[in-house]
Amino acid sequence: QKEVEQNSGPLSVPEGAIASLNCTYSDRGSQSFFWYRQYSGKSPELIMFIYSNGDKEDGRFTAQLNKASQYVSLLIRDSQPSDSATYLCAATTGGFKTIFGAGTRLFVKA
Amino acid sequence: DTGVSQDPRHKITKRGQNVTFRCDPISEHNRLYWYRQTLGQGPEFLTYFQNEAQLEKSRLLSDRFSAERPKGSFSTLEIQRTEQGDSAMYLCASSFPGTSGSSYNEQFFGPGTRLTVL
Repeated sequence: QKEVEQNSGPLSVPEGAIASLNCTYSDRGSQSFFWYRQYSGKSPELIMFIYSNGDKEDGRFTAQLNKASQYVSLLIRDSQPSDSATYLCAATTGGFKTIFGAGTRLFVKA
Repeated sequence: DTGVSQDPRHKITKRGQNVTFRCDPISEHNRLYWYRQTLGQGPEFLTYFQNEAQLEKSRLLSDRFSAERPKGSFSTLEIQRTEQGDSAMYLCASSFPGTSGSSYNEQFFGPGTRLTVL
């Protein structure tokens, strides 16, 4: 069973701090990786995707991918209370099947 | 609204009844996915379509579940003889292959259908 693993949290950070969310995946054939944000009772919302080793930045968000270590991370700079949500990591194989992790709950304290 | 839509948003049914959900993807998206999500878990892959072809179905999906996308546009997910364990949020997502032919498969989700089986 191909898996995507995340620490369930909760991760608690003060407002203005950097939140660091991590994810590992088991299928070396995975090609694209995604971070989704999900507020309670809502559907997942795409934040970022990454497919090459290294960093990718978009505003306050930076995704990092290390294929050798099968590791993906998301950094949220200047965290805001509105960032409090569950963050889902997902990996897509060449066949376009997508596997999601269970998510990490993030709390940003004002 | 040009996003993914799902109908109904909520469904309450009695055990043993059949239910059908509908998903309308973003119009230019040719891939359509169905997921199931229970409390505290991430979306669990059920099946996906590219145009009208169902390309993969989860081995976890029992024969009581069937999905169709007859014209490559909207899709339906049917659950026959519902069980209490089927209670969950059923999510639909769609994606577009990309203008260059390469695809990173960014998926955009609908609001979901919450199923409660009594």
